Amino acid sequence: NAGVTQTPKFQVLKTGQSMTLQCAQDMNHNSMYWYRQDPGMGLRLIYYSASEGTTDKGEVPNGYNVSRLNKREFSLRLESAAPSQTSVYFCASSPRTATYEQYFGPGTRLTVT
Amino acid sequence: EDQVTQSPEALRLQEGESSSLNCSYTVSGLRGLFWYRQDPGKGPEFLFTLYSAGEEKEKERLKATLTKKESFLHITAPKPEDSATYLCAVDSGTYKYIFGTGTRLKVLA
Repeated sequence: NAGVTQTPKFQVLKTGQSMTLQCAQDMNHNSMYWYRQDPGMGLRLIYYSASEGTTDKGEVPNGYNVSRLNKREFSLRLESAAPSQTSVYFCASSPRTATYEQYFGPGTRLTVT
Repeated sequence: EDQVTQSPEALRLQEGESSSLNCSYTVSGLRGLFWYRQDPGKGPEFLFTLYSAGEEKEKERLKATLTKKESFLHITAPKPEDSATYLCAVDSGTYKYIFGTGTRLKVLA
């Protein structure tokens, strides 16, 4: 039982390059989330998926797209990376939205030069 | 606007020196308050959920309490392995958790 897994762990991109961050969970959770964490700021929600087949914007969605591939997998895509997207990205899952604890992956540290 | 504030930003304790971390919140309707622990280079790890004022939860040396305006994470006789950043988050019923910026705790042997 691996919980929430994320790939890659580290990534360096040049401005304008694209990439996809992968996330998978094996807890049969319905809801999945993408956050970014920056120094001095709390975790900020980028996008979430309340259930398979649905996605919604969070607090900071600009510059990102997501795909809920199936119940297990939720990917985050940066179409044209910018230095402002340098951050640590966390994927999380929960049984459902609304007042359930979320379980986080180990994170992806992304640097955009 | 919904907001979560944690204090202090950083705390250094001697091993065995008990203390409390604070999480104050302003939300339109609290559905749940969560405490997480985050070690350097890792994702947050769930500790507790509190739903209503007066509720308390305990786990080893940690005890979380909730009032109508704030939550406390009490650490009793901490050990060096308790060193981490402790995050607080609230669910105001909008499917979006609001996280505080955390308290960095360092426990010295």
